[in-house]
Amino acid sequence: DAGVIQSPRHEVTEMGQEVTLRCKPISGHDYLFWYRQTMMRGLELLIYFNNNVPIDDSGMPEDRFSAKMPNASFSTLKIQPSEPRDSAVYFCASSSPYLASGANVLTFGAGSRLTVL
Amino acid sequence: GESVGLHLPTLSVQEGDNSIINCAYSNSASDYFIWYKQESGKGPQFIIDIRSNMDKRQGQRVTVLLNKTVKHLSLQIAATQPGDSAVYFCAEIPNTGNQFYFGTGTSLTVIP
Repeated sequence: DAGVIQSPRHEVTEMGQEVTLRCKPISGHDYLFWYRQTMMRGLELLIYFNNNVPIDDSGMPEDRFSAKMPNASFSTLKIQPSEPRDSAVYFCASSSPYLASGANVLTFGAGSRLTVL
Repeated sequence: GESVGLHLPTLSVQEGDNSIINCAYSNSASDYFIWYKQESGKGPQFIIDIRSNMDKRQGQRVTVLLNKTVKHLSLQIAATQPGDSAVYFCAEIPNTGNQFYFGTGTSLTVIP
């Protein structure tokens, strides 16, 4: 398995532009998580899905952020309009039910580094 | 102006020495704990896990110790190597759901 695949790896955009980050989870993992990592706040959970259904989006900062999971192999995180304070590394992670042990638990992608000018 | 951010605990060790990284967790209902390693420019990677019904678990060169009395978790790395330089996070998973709560991390630097 290629692991969790995220794109783009780097994105530089101007304030006000729409940003779409993409994620392909590990096949067979039925949980998908979006995290944001900054120096100020560390690793923050934004939203997570179970079987493509959003379960908890309480970490989504505001209405400018939205996430979808149209099928088991694809999810997007969208920011519209983007602001400089959204600059961060966004990680997607997937897992099988947490009672599984070992490396099946929460596998992260390489991240998408977003810079909003 | 002054920049404010997380003050990551840092640990510097000599190559070949043992490292101990500590983590305090908050939820006594957490029943599963994981250590992750994050190298520069990469996502966190699973190292080792432990369930709350255990107090010790060993992997390859790593040992995790769990003290539920004081809600403390530690990661011991034997014979630390330059490739171990990274930020190490502990995560706790409460028995009430599938949330993973991450600590702020510890930055480990291995001096050759």
